[in-house]
Amino acid sequence: EPEVTQTPSHQVTQMGQEVILRCVPISNHLYFYWYRQILGQKVEFLVSFYNNEISEKSEIFDDQFSVERPDGSNFTLKIRSTKLEDSAMYFCASSARTGLNTGELFFGEGSRLTVL
Amino acid sequence: SQQGEEDPQALSIQEGENATMNCSYKTSINNLQWYRQNSGRGLVHLILIRSNEREKHSGRLRVTLDTSKKSSSLLITASRAADTASYFCATAPKSGGGADGLTFGKGTHLIIQP
Repeated sequence: EPEVTQTPSHQVTQMGQEVILRCVPISNHLYFYWYRQILGQKVEFLVSFYNNEISEKSEIFDDQFSVERPDGSNFTLKIRSTKLEDSAMYFCASSARTGLNTGELFFGEGSRLTVL
Repeated sequence: SQQGEEDPQALSIQEGENATMNCSYKTSINNLQWYRQNSGRGLVHLILIRSNEREKHSGRLRVTLDTSKKSSSLLITASRAADTASYFCATAPKSGGGADGLTFGKGTHLIIQP
């Protein structure tokens, strides 16, 4: 069964460093998303991506964050100058085009980011 | 404002009993979805109900939607120990397009006692 894969599963970084989280969405999906979940808290929307550009982004997704689909298969989230509060689980998700509105999302297993 | 708030926050029942979780939201929606998350894992889609639907079934799951009260419920019948997980409702906005982000609630942590 097709699945969304994410790497790394866990990354530890020093405050101020840059991290890149990678995702391979399901191959025939057209919509891609990043969400984050701080430990024990709700899942928060960061950004959606369609047709090689950002479609929507939340207030959390400021200039510190960027996304890219560099090669037609990978979908990356870059976090520049990491802060302690960026420590969270980051989930990638993808969705097939099911019409005009957001349908079922398929999530990866997440990348746990720990900022020290 | 909070969108998609589930209650209870935690629920512990005996295996074989039914589990009911509720979700309330604030804005107009196109659809509402329920997801399951095992500890430390990704979210798994369970069921989607559109704003013009009132009830939907999938296996042991039954979802209701009341758009006048902006609320939904998820019923899991004949619960099993393997149903132990966190359950989240998520709303898709009414006015948006296919790439709009879902808004998740805080989740209900369900524990099924064997």
